[in-house]
Amino acid sequence: GAGVSQSPRYKVTKRGQDVALRCDPISGHVSLYWYRQALGQGPEFLTYFNYEAQQDKSGLPNDRFSAERPEGSISTLTIQRTEQRDSAMYRCASSLALGLAAQNTGELFFGEGSRLTVL
Amino acid sequence: SQELEQSPQSLIVQEGKNLTINCTSSKTLYGLYWYKQKYGEGLIFLMMLQKGGEEKSHEKITAKLDEKKQQSSLHITASQPSHAGIYLCGADLPLQGGSEKLVFGKGTKLTVNP
Repeated sequence: GAGVSQSPRYKVTKRGQDVALRCDPISGHVSLYWYRQALGQGPEFLTYFNYEAQQDKSGLPNDRFSAERPEGSISTLTIQRTEQRDSAMYRCASSLALGLAAQNTGELFFGEGSRLTVL
Repeated sequence: SQELEQSPQSLIVQEGKNLTINCTSSKTLYGLYWYKQKYGEGLIFLMMLQKGGEEKSHEKITAKLDEKKQQSSLHITASQPSHAGIYLCGADLPLQGGSEKLVFGKGTKLTVNP
């Protein structure tokens, strides 16, 4: 596609339910990042992939959060047993090259985000 | 925790005025990125700085990285309503094992009044 696509754009769920957020990166982009952004805050790093390999998951808050990118393209961020504190905007970004330092421009292309509300 | 401090947190200026936003790190930055975010939209890349003393410009926006690579400033000349939004600085933090992550400051909300 022309840009990074995220779905759903909005998700309202009840506490305790599982949710899956999808990210479709720009075709051919190697690296894929997940961020979480609370209101009034900058994006908080969650995890990132190079191809299908999860390179760093140090930002995942706890074991209820997981992410996968099985074929090196589309990625899914799954939150199990959601809690109200999980409510936030979840953003996905992709880049052409491996890692940030390898890039000439340092540009990450961000999707419009998935806004999750846990009641 | 946020490792980048941005100032001011918010800024209101009259159209046509110049303004500066600052981003400070306690650690040496290997890469400093400026993004702009508008409500309901994704983050838009503005520019990246890597070398101490580097300066880049795009239209009316100029970003600088100090020699010590711990502070960056974003300067907008003759601001316009289209410049309004949230400006975020990001820094490339190398991690053990060769991985890295891009962390962001809390952002500066800019309002430009016509």
